Amino acid sequence: KQEVTQIPAALSVPEGENLVLNCSFTDSAIYNLQWFRQDPGKGLTSLLLIQSSQREQTSGRLNASLDKSSGRSTLYIAASQPGDSATYLCAVRDNAGNMLTFGGGTRLMVKP
Amino acid sequence: NAGVTQTPKFQVLKTGQSMTLQCAQDMNHEYMSWYRQDPGMGLRLIHYSVGAGITDQGEVPNGYNVSRSTTEDFPLRLLSAAPSQTSVYFCASSYLRYHEQYFGPGTRLTVT
Repeated sequence: KQEVTQIPAALSVPEGENLVLNCSFTDSAIYNLQWFRQDPGKGLTSLLLIQSSQREQTSGRLNASLDKSSGRSTLYIAASQPGDSATYLCAVRDNAGNMLTFGGGTRLMVKP
Repeated sequence: NAGVTQTPKFQVLKTGQSMTLQCAQDMNHEYMSWYRQDPGMGLRLIHYSVGAGITDQGEVPNGYNVSRSTTEDFPLRLLSAAPSQTSVYFCASSYLRYHEQYFGPGTRLTVT
């Protein structure tokens, strides 16, 4: 059974710092991996989707990388801002496409 | 586009009552799914549908029913509510199962 782990569970940084969030998964037979942002009491907002054949995807200040063979993905946030404060979740979809397995999330606080 | 909409936003039920959580999307997406989010357990898949008339079970289907009579709507029915079903419920959709997932704002359900 696929297991997805996100470390750290919580992170507090000063504004302007570049930071890296980590996501690891146990079964490398994935179809794609998606990063989400969740604000308190809200739904999930999709940030980036990486296909298994891709190494990275970029959107603005966000860059996500994928190393399928080692079961790892990282989300890089450049020049963090207080508005980036949220919980960040990664999720992997298996090759059959039926299951999207989520990690527990990293709660990020960016201090002004 | 309204995206993925869910009603109600909040609901309190007594044990044994039944209710339907509504989910609709206006993006002509074929794939729709229901998740529950619990502290310490992350998001878990309840049921999913790959198109009108086709549904299947996810990781935690017991106590829930779904049907998909139209492309737009995917209601989730609780047949006899139990305190263990206290959770936040999210509906998600995508063009096809492998595509980027879009989430609704969630329904917070409390069963007393």
